[in-house]
Amino acid sequence: NAGVTQTPKFQVLKTGQSMTLQCAQDMNHNSMYWYRQDPGMGLRLIYYSASEGTTDKGEVPNGYNVSRLNKREFSLRLESAAPSQTSVYFCASSLLAGGLTDTQYFGPGTRLTVL
Amino acid sequence: QKEVEQDPGPLSVPEGAIVSLNCTYSNSAFQYFMWYRQYSRKGPELLMYTYSSGNKEDGRFTAQVDKSSKYISLFIRDSQPSDSATYLCAMRDYGQNFVFGPGTRLSVLP
Repeated sequence: NAGVTQTPKFQVLKTGQSMTLQCAQDMNHNSMYWYRQDPGMGLRLIYYSASEGTTDKGEVPNGYNVSRLNKREFSLRLESAAPSQTSVYFCASSLLAGGLTDTQYFGPGTRLTVL
Repeated sequence: QKEVEQDPGPLSVPEGAIVSLNCTYSNSAFQYFMWYRQYSRKGPELLMYTYSSGNKEDGRFTAQVDKSSKYISLFIRDSQPSDSATYLCAMRDYGQNFVFGPGTRLSVLP
């Protein structure tokens, strides 16, 4: 039982390049999330998927797109990377968004640098 | 004013000390409260979860919630060097509005 896994662990991009961050969970959770974490800012929600087939914008969605490929996988795409997107990206999952015992479980993160 | 405020620290204490970590919030709709621990270069891991005012204890950790004051705390008894990490408070309303504090960095010195 690996929990939440993310690939890659590290990535360096040049401005304007594109890439996809991958996330998978094996806990049979319904809801999945993408956050970015910047010093002094805490975790900020980029996009989330309450259930398979649905996605919604979070606090900071500009410059990102997501795909809920199936129940297990949720990917985050940067179409044209900018230096402001340099950050640590975390994927999380929870059993059921908004449920009484809804808590989130996090992956190990992807450290992205955009030059 | 941010929805959730948390002193960023760093907070340094000697081994064995009692540690108090705190968050204040402004949104009275928050009903569920969590504490996460994040080691350097790792993802946050869930420590405590509570949805009522009062205290909840788990081993050396006690979570305290005061909804009337919009104030939550995490107490760590007999702190250990392995407790050195960043502690994030998190809270949400009845829906899916999940908000994290910026975290407090704790160092427990041997």
